[in-house]
Amino acid sequence: DVKVTQSSRYLVKRTGEKVFLECVQDMDHENMFWYRQDPGLGLRLIYFSYDVKMKEKGDIPEGYSVSREKKERFSLILESASTNQTSMYLCVSGGPPATEAFFGQGTRLTVV
Amino acid sequence: GDSVTQMEGPVTLSEEAFLTINCTYTATGYPSLFWYVQYPGEGLQLLLKATKADDKGSNKGFEATYRKETTSFHLEKGSVQVSDSAVYFCALALISSGSARQLTFGSGTQLTVLP
Repeated sequence: DVKVTQSSRYLVKRTGEKVFLECVQDMDHENMFWYRQDPGLGLRLIYFSYDVKMKEKGDIPEGYSVSREKKERFSLILESASTNQTSMYLCVSGGPPATEAFFGQGTRLTVV
Repeated sequence: GDSVTQMEGPVTLSEEAFLTINCTYTATGYPSLFWYVQYPGEGLQLLLKATKADDKGSNKGFEATYRKETTSFHLEKGSVQVSDSAVYFCALALISSGSARQLTFGSGTQLTVLP
């Protein structure tokens, strides 16, 4: 089975902190994505990457950055956490062409 | 840009009722279409998919047909069970930016099935 592993299930951080969310996949997928999930808003794409060291902005990249130094690992970085970044963060992995995506369990981040 | 619009919830049904959750999309090119399900306390998982027009995806009694003429991918089940209570997400995938496959999701529909 494909595994997409996010480093933390629950995280509480203070406003202004730099936050790292890590995601690792074990299926040699090229494409990896970071979404946030909020009630009533569904899933919104923050960033995605289709290769090592490649990244593209999604719909809501402001306040976030990403890093993909190795194919299996895609990190989401909150440069200076704010309360409006309190959310569920989902890492997704998938390979071209149009195959299904595989989801991590999610990280519920609370910024206080 | 690409978008997915799905029926707003919540939807509450009695056991054995017929279910339809509407999903329409806007996309350039020819997307693949998916339904994902999120059971309480769990991550999203693929329910079914269709990769070209007129394809029918099916799984666990759920079905959806890729209708290019109406740009729709409605989810149906003939007889729902309490265990089907979950949030359902319609999604599309397009090849863009070279080999990238960008996923676009609908806002999700909460389904509650009462015994």
